[in-house]
Amino acid sequence: NAGVTQTPKFRVLKTGQSMTLLCAQDMNHEYMYWYRQDPGMGLRLIHYSVGEGTTAKGEVPDGYNVSRLKKQNFLLGLESAAPSQTSVYFCASMTSGRMTDTQYFGPGTRLTVL
Amino acid sequence: DAKTTQPPSMDCAEGRAANLPCNHSTISGNEYVYWYRQIHSQGPQYIIHGLKNNETNEMASLIITEDRKSSTLILPHATLRDTAVYYCIVRSPPGGSQGNLIFGKGTKLSVKP
Repeated sequence: NAGVTQTPKFRVLKTGQSMTLLCAQDMNHEYMYWYRQDPGMGLRLIHYSVGEGTTAKGEVPDGYNVSRLKKQNFLLGLESAAPSQTSVYFCASMTSGRMTDTQYFGPGTRLTVL
Repeated sequence: DAKTTQPPSMDCAEGRAANLPCNHSTISGNEYVYWYRQIHSQGPQYIIHGLKNNETNEMASLIITEDRKSSTLILPHATLRDTAVYYCIVRSPPGGSQGNLIFGKGTKLSVKP
């Protein structure tokens, strides 16, 4: 059981470049999340999904797009990267939305936009 | 969602109990208190959650006051590996964007030898 994995672990982009971050979970979880964490701050929710084929906006969705074509994968895309998107990105998954369910987090992706 | 207030930092001696406070004075009756921690730059790790009763698991104990306006996370015998940022989160029941976790800045706990 690998849990939640994220690819890549590190990436450096130039302003205007695009990239996709991949999150995969092998726990058959329905819910998946993408967060960003800036230095000294807590995590902020970018987008989330409550099931295959669904996505919803979180607190800071601008500049990002997501897709959940397969239940086990949640992709985060940056179409035109900006320096303000330099951050650590965390993915999480959860069985469902029940109050007794908890989120399991991946190890993070460190993204630098020059 | 109810807001939480935590001290920015705390120190604890190794082997002693670490008591991390959290104020959530605007919590609603159906909102849960969750605690997560983040060690160095790793992904957050779930610790414990509760509604109104005190809870205990293999990691920690959660004490919620009778009026539910505050809670305390207790690590009974802190070790150096417990050095981390601890987040107290009030979670609303699911529905729309409810049920999502909202992270504040947390409390940075430093366990010292």
